[in-house]
Amino acid sequence: DQQVKQNSPSLSVQEGRISILNCDYTNSMFDYFLWYKKYPAEGPTFLISISSIKDKNEDGRFTVFLNKSAKHLSLHIVPSQPGDSAVYFCAASAMDSSYKLIFGSGTRLLVRP
Amino acid sequence: EPEVTQTPSHQVTQMGQEVILRCVPISNHLYFYWYRQILGQKVEFLVSFYNNEISEKSEIFDDQFSVERPDGSNFTLKIRSTKLEDSAMYFCASSRDGINEKLFFGSGTQLSVL
Repeated sequence: DQQVKQNSPSLSVQEGRISILNCDYTNSMFDYFLWYKKYPAEGPTFLISISSIKDKNEDGRFTVFLNKSAKHLSLHIVPSQPGDSAVYFCAASAMDSSYKLIFGSGTRLLVRP
Repeated sequence: EPEVTQTPSHQVTQMGQEVILRCVPISNHLYFYWYRQILGQKVEFLVSFYNNEISEKSEIFDDQFSVERPDGSNFTLKIRSTKLEDSAMYFCASSRDGINEKLFFGSGTQLSVL
């Protein structure tokens, strides 16, 4: 069951540059997408979300883009900071199964000073 | 800032034993969830709970698993007879409105089944 895929297990970026994390999904019923950040020994922390009626949502340094036709979303972090180093999970939910989130496998981001 | 609290942070048990993982959700939240993450794998949904009953569960959540909200503040996950493959980090989460709402996760209980 790979309804949400994050094909890059890791990403390394220089401080100050842009980090782009990608996520693909297969289920056309998904209508809400979220990004979570996770530090070691902590639970996932909500970062930003987007509804399927939008194609972009921005919150400070974080922007999520949604391309419904390609079933693809991406998280942009600019400028990247060392404190952004964490595992980032993409997650999705569907109207007919709205009580659960389907997570991707995560991308470990390392921001180098 | 309110948070979801989980106890214990680590639990070691022998195969076949029963374990109870405890969670205190955020006080004004009405929807409660358990997720788990096996080492190196994705976070997986186990069960959601609302109005004192299970609203949805995954295929992982078989008869060995049960949830309870015994006293209006705690939310527990019981594994009746643990198996080696139950070893994972178990996350409790809560949500105020449920549908398409952001979940707030606890820091997890690392369960090790020997």
